[in-house]
Amino acid sequence: GIQVEQSPPDLILQEGANSTLRCNFSDSVNNLQWFHQNPWGQLINLFYIPSGTKQNGRLSATTVATERYSLLYISSSQTTDSGVYFCAVERGYNKLIFGAGTRLAVHP
Amino acid sequence: SAVISQKPSRDICQRGTSLTIQCQVDSQVTMMFWYRQQPGQSLTLIATANQGSEATYESGFVIDKFPISRPNLTFSTLTVSNMSPEDSSIYLCSVVGGPSYEQYFGPGTRLTVT
Repeated sequence: GIQVEQSPPDLILQEGANSTLRCNFSDSVNNLQWFHQNPWGQLINLFYIPSGTKQNGRLSATTVATERYSLLYISSSQTTDSGVYFCAVERGYNKLIFGAGTRLAVHP
Repeated sequence: SAVISQKPSRDICQRGTSLTIQCQVDSQVTMMFWYRQQPGQSLTLIATANQGSEATYESGFVIDKFPISRPNLTFSTLTVSNMSPEDSSIYLCSVVGGPSYEQYFGPGTRLTVT
């Protein structure tokens, strides 16, 4: 089956810093999504990005489908960005396979 | 995006008992799923809840342990049967919505089995 690997597993930032999270996947996919799970457990859909680049405020994402990776950029990080960031790919019929996540802590 | 609610939000249960989790969506959706997130882990798909037919289970999950109902296009239930401490997890329902098949998740049910 498709393997999804995320790096780094853990990241600690000072408020205001920038960061890049990476997601590698082992096979071609129709669908790739980035999620943020906040400290209360709620999963928020950040981007649906099977290819190309999208931006939403301080967040942007790029997927290079031919090279099987996606990047999530966080600029000017804030304490509210803390939580776990998951990359998930679809393996058919909208069923998602999640990576292990990147746990981000932003300190004031 | 769809608004999804789950009940209960959390529960503490005795081993050997069963708990039914409800998932309600504010609009009709075709695709609805149930995921499990064990402590400190990622999410794993349990099953696809199909309206009008049996759920489709993923490898490692069986109907006797996780029976699912989907009586209409806005509601589903997941039952965790004959619970053991290993079933302690967050259980989340999700739906596919929007023009690009984005997936949206409910707030989750945090289950602790003692």
